[in-house]
Amino acid sequence: SQQGEEDPQALSIQEGENATMNCSYKTSINNLQWYRQNSGRGLVHLILIRSNEREKHSGRLRVTLDTSKKSSSLLITASRAADTASYFCATDGSGYSTLTFGKGTMLLVSP
Amino acid sequence: EAQVTQNPRYLITVTGKKLTVTCSQNMNHEYMSWYRQDPGLGLRQIYYSMNVEVTDKGDVPEGYKVSRKEKRNFPLILESPSPNQTSLYFCASSRTGKRTSNEQYFGPGTRLTVT
Repeated sequence: SQQGEEDPQALSIQEGENATMNCSYKTSINNLQWYRQNSGRGLVHLILIRSNEREKHSGRLRVTLDTSKKSSSLLITASRAADTASYFCATDGSGYSTLTFGKGTMLLVSP
Repeated sequence: EAQVTQNPRYLITVTGKKLTVTCSQNMNHEYMSWYRQDPGLGLRQIYYSMNVEVTDKGDVPEGYKVSRKEKRNFPLILESPSPNQTSLYFCASSRTGKRTSNEQYFGPGTRLTVT
């Protein structure tokens, strides 16, 4: 099945720095979503970008989408310790209704 | 408060003892889904439901059953649990299953251990 793959698997930065995570996928999509998961907890939806959009902002989050390269990036600016979490991209599959999640990027922001 | 709830949050059981994990949402969502999360494998979909009485298999349905008799509830049933079903389980819902509007809301998770 189609799957987003995040890169890097893990990222460690200092507070105040920017964090960039990438997602690649295999086939055409209708939209791509990013989710955050704090350790062992449920995923929280962050942002959705549609296939006809190239960039989207939400607070300190900036998402880009390049459908020609089948890739997306999530930028978190001015990171805080509270941003420490795993981040997942999810793509809508070839089917009507399923989301397929990548394996995630684990972000550690140190004070 | 809009939310997805799951019960129990933690469960330790023995091989072969039937169990049910409940899931309920209060947002009148049409679409509900179950995932399992395992280290190194990410989230994998078990079953999903587009609406009442409409369910379908996800990527890893073997050993699981579901039902959707009411819009708000989507229980996950393990008829005869085995140790390879030890995992962290998440229920999720979205307003619809349509590709244009399928942001999902997740429950807090159920950590299941089968010995």
